[in-house]
Amino acid sequence: SQTIHQWPATLVQPVGSPLSLECTVEGTSNPNLYWYRQAAGRGLQLLFYSVGIGQISSEVPQNLSASRPQDRQFILSSKKLLLSDSGFYLCAWSWRRAYEQYFGPGTRLTVT
Amino acid sequence: AQKITQTQPGMFVQEKEAVTLDCTYDTSDQSYGLFWYKQPSSGEMIFLIYQGSYDEQNATEGRYSLNFQKARKSANLVISASQLGDSAMYFCAMREGLGGYSTLTFGKGTMLLVSP
Repeated sequence: SQTIHQWPATLVQPVGSPLSLECTVEGTSNPNLYWYRQAAGRGLQLLFYSVGIGQISSEVPQNLSASRPQDRQFILSSKKLLLSDSGFYLCAWSWRRAYEQYFGPGTRLTVT
Repeated sequence: AQKITQTQPGMFVQEKEAVTLDCTYDTSDQSYGLFWYKQPSSGEMIFLIYQGSYDEQNATEGRYSLNFQKARKSANLVISASQLGDSAMYFCAMREGLGGYSTLTFGKGTMLLVSP
């Protein structure tokens, strides 16, 4: 069976500090990978998606970036966090040419 | 215009009763799909049910069914025999077009509270 992991689970960072959130998927190969952000009390906003190693598409211009150094690893980064980066970050995966996306447990980021 | 509209910020239902959560969508694509996800207080998004635009029958998964009315562009979630564990946020989402990947657009969600 497939499992998706995210860490850390919670993070408190000061404004201007760097960020690195990691997502890994087990039990599948060549998945599509996604990063979403959910602001408090809101729906999900797609940030990045990837259909393969080194292939990243950005949906929303911002100070965040994503990388996929390995087939089942997806990393969300920032060089300098802003207060507006606070939120709940969810990683998801899907089979190639399938529509359902399966989400990880999320990382709750608070920028102070 | 919003692509996914969930007009009910909150819904209350008693245990064992059925409840309908509303979702309307807007798209000009012929091929698209509608999803429902459940988000309990822990935060994880749990996939519940999927309906493709070409599916002729309404999707069902256990106690969940999707009331798909294409002409009205609505995709309401029906939960039969509500349980206390159904208390959560529920999100409707849509994917558009064809391809080797899908990007989803989410609504703002409906908070469902099930009382004993």
